[in-house]
Amino acid sequence: NAGVMQNPRHLVRRRGQEARLRCSPMKGHSHVYWYRQLPEEGLKFMVYLQKENIIDESGMPKERFSAEFPKEGPSILRIQQVVRGDSAAYFCASSPRGGANTGELFFGEGSRLTVL
Amino acid sequence: GQQVMQIPQYQHVQEGEDFTTYCNSSTTLSNIQWYKQRPGGHPVFLIQLVKSGEVKKQKRLTFQFGEAKKNSSLHITATQTTDVGTYFCAGRFTGNTPLVFGKGTRLSVIA
Repeated sequence: NAGVMQNPRHLVRRRGQEARLRCSPMKGHSHVYWYRQLPEEGLKFMVYLQKENIIDESGMPKERFSAEFPKEGPSILRIQQVVRGDSAAYFCASSPRGGANTGELFFGEGSRLTVL
Repeated sequence: GQQVMQIPQYQHVQEGEDFTTYCNSSTTLSNIQWYKQRPGGHPVFLIQLVKSGEVKKQKRLTFQFGEAKKNSSLHITATQTTDVGTYFCAGRFTGNTPLVFGKGTRLSVIA
């Protein structure tokens, strides 16, 4: 049973370019979460999605960032017009349930974005 | 916003010594989880605590959830080099809110 798959593992972009990060949850998991981690920092919640729906995007910057989880295919975190401050590790996690019964989150290995 | 504070930020111990990290919230938590992240790796779930005053053990690791459900601790007895990594607590404030992670405690073990 494959775990949470994230790609690319490493991405380098110049300022102003777009970054697209993909996440395939574990089989049978329909709940996906994106977290951002800066060096020496904890994980900061960005967005929680269920198939075709954004459930909670309270942690997502209002501009340049968007996320989707289509009916078919992986969840995508999109960052437009990247700036140096976007350099971070972006982790995706999945769970089979949501809300009060969420339980354990299964994390992918992360996508490390570097903005030059 | 709601925060989970974790201390210490760093801890260096000699192999064989004990280690404890503490997690605090100003607001009652619905539950708390603990994760471990090895250097360069991703967070891996260790345990979830739900009940007031709950204590759970996993071999050399002991997890506690405070009576008021506002604090938690992770204690490692007789550390080993394999314990190296960053330990995060993550609290859930209500059933439908996302997990809020502390900043983590980075553990170094000197052989």
